[in-house]
Amino acid sequence: GDSVTQMEGPVTLSEEAFLTINCTYTATGYPSLFWYVQYPGEGLQLLLKATKADDKGSNKGFEATYRKETTSFHLEKGSVQVSDSAVYFCALRHTGNQFYFGTGTSLTVIP
Amino acid sequence: EAGVTQFPSHSVIEKGQTVTLRCDPISGHDNLYWYRRVMGKEIKFLLHFVKESKQDESGMPNNRFLAERTGGTYSTLKVQPAELEDSGVYFCASSQDGSGILGETQYFGPGTRLLVL
Repeated sequence: GDSVTQMEGPVTLSEEAFLTINCTYTATGYPSLFWYVQYPGEGLQLLLKATKADDKGSNKGFEATYRKETTSFHLEKGSVQVSDSAVYFCALRHTGNQFYFGTGTSLTVIP
Repeated sequence: EAGVTQFPSHSVIEKGQTVTLRCDPISGHDNLYWYRRVMGKEIKFLLHFVKESKQDESGMPNNRFLAERTGGTYSTLKVQPAELEDSGVYFCASSQDGSGILGETQYFGPGTRLLVL
């Protein structure tokens, strides 16, 4: 069945460091891929998405490219800030309306 | 515009008791979803309402869980009787168009943290 595997955390980085959070998926066909973020005390928020192969989603300095050949959707940011500290969830949506989420990766950025 | 709201934010109950979680979706959103995250694991789909009808309840773990959405507005998720393994964070989400467009955004609430002792 459909599933998402993402890099286990927690991840701790210094401010302005480069961030990569790996995400790979298993699905037949062509799912849509998402990154959601959960800031402390808040709900999940859509960070970015890509709906077809080779699409790049981007938002708030974060980017992820839908790679069909490697079944991956890695999240990257060139220079993280303290305000980026949160839990990041990779997800896919295939047929039907439900999402399949990864386990989440906790990121802490220290000044 | 108000987002998805959930009540309570936290609940601590004893095994065997009953708990009812509530979700208020964004006004005008016909689609409402329940998800659950057990500690340290992935967020898993529970069920999907379209208005007051259950579209997909394939993720409901067992018959101790009952979800309702009378009138097609807010939804409740009742756990009766609660077991230890029911502990986790219960998320609700809503969307305007559940037609199956794969890029459609679901808007999530902050979750209800349930602890069963």
